[in-house]
Amino acid sequence: EIVLTQSPATLSLSPGERATLSCRASQSVSSYLAWYQQKPGQAPRLLIYDASNRATGIPARFSGSGSGTDFTLTISSLEPEDFAVYYCQQRSNWSYTFGQGTKLEIK
Amino acid sequence: QVQLQESGPGLVKPSQTLSLTCTVSGGSISSGSYYWSWIRQPAGKGLEWIGRIYTSGSTNYNPSLKSRVTISVDTSKNQFSLKLSSVTAADTAVYYCARGFWSGSVYFDYWGQGTLVTVSS
Repeated sequence: EIVLTQSPATLSLSPGERATLSCRASQSVSSYLAWYQQKPGQAPRLLIYDASNRATGIPARFSGSGSGTDFTLTISSLEPEDFAVYYCQQRSNWSYTFGQGTKLEIK
Repeated sequence: QVQLQESGPGLVKPSQTLSLTCTVSGGSISSGSYYWSWIRQPAGKGLEWIGRIYTSGSTNYNPSLKSRVTISVDTSKNQFSLKLSSVTAADTAVYYCARGFWSGSVYFDYWGQGTLVTVSS
């Protein structure tokens, strides 16, 4: 099973700052990785798929990069509504796993 | 706009079977090429994929839960269902149904609001 490790566990930043979140896979997942945002009491929302493709309706300040084992989600300039938990997700054979999450909190 | 809504008992006794249904609106569950999935999240923890049923009816399950999980579809009601047998307190979680689409892998673009299931006597 491929394990996804996200870092940091918690990221404290201010609105307007740039956020960089990392997801590392225990073995190559090519470019088959997604990022989700989850706010308290809500379902996750798909932000990025295939490592760098923004999902429908996702603002351009969200971008994804990487391939193989190392991936990054970048939020270019944080808006107040961006403070949430972010998860990465990949496929291993016909099963799917998520990272443990990075909490993006207001500094 | 596709919408998903989970329904089922919020309390299940240990050793019994957890049963949930996801009703899909805004589109036919049997059209397109989608992977209708169940995902759960224990309180304060991360996401765990449980399993999925494809439009054709084929299924795949998380290996760690495979022996206890059954996912089925009722196209006449535009619903798909989850059964998880022999539950314990460790199965207490918010259960989400979600639609997956294929793009080299399966990604989940529409989710239900989630339903809390507590396993307790």
